Amino acid sequence: EDQVTQSPEALRLQEGESSSLNCSYTVSGLRGLFWYRQDPGKGPEFLFTLYSAGEEKEKERLKATLTKKESFLHITAPKPEDSATYLCAVGSGGSYIPTFGRGTSLIVHP
Amino acid sequence: NAGVTQTPKFQVLKTGQSMTLQCAQDMNHNSMYWYRQDPGMGLRLIYYSASEGTTDKGEVPNGYNVSRLNKREFSLRLESAAPSQTSVYFCASPMMGDSQETQYFGPGTRLLVL
Repeated sequence: EDQVTQSPEALRLQEGESSSLNCSYTVSGLRGLFWYRQDPGKGPEFLFTLYSAGEEKEKERLKATLTKKESFLHITAPKPEDSATYLCAVGSGGSYIPTFGRGTSLIVHP
Repeated sequence: NAGVTQTPKFQVLKTGQSMTLQCAQDMNHNSMYWYRQDPGMGLRLIYYSASEGTTDKGEVPNGYNVSRLNKREFSLRLESAAPSQTSVYFCASPMMGDSQETQYFGPGTRLLVL
């Protein structure tokens, strides 16, 4: 059974204070690891898909990296508008059904 | 291009009442999914449809039924609502080009069962 664990559950940062969110996973044959952003009262919004260990992707202040056991979402010099819940999910084997983690709630104070 | 749309946005039901949540996508995707999201539980798959005319159970299907009306529409029905079904429901449709590269989510339906 695929499992995804995200840490920390909640993170408070000051504006400009860089940090990382962690997504640990166990999966039988990784097909892809996905990061989403979810704002309060809205549906998740796709950020990145990573397919193999060593892969990195960037978007503005966000950078996602992948190893064989975990993924990190690095946030560089965050701004208050980066406040959201960040969700990680994995897809495995022949299944097209992703398994989601419980998310990390990020609050960036001005 | 609206992506994934859901109706209604909010609903309050009494225990035992029935209702249907509607979802439509205009991206010409084959697959459509229904999730529920509860505090501390993350997103859990209720049912999915890999293609028009097919539906399959997900992780938490009990108390729900679905209909894939056509390629665009996928509805979720609660025949006899229970307080445990109070949740936020999301419809999603993945882009399947190279495995499930991404899922596009609707805005959600917030359901309260009294």
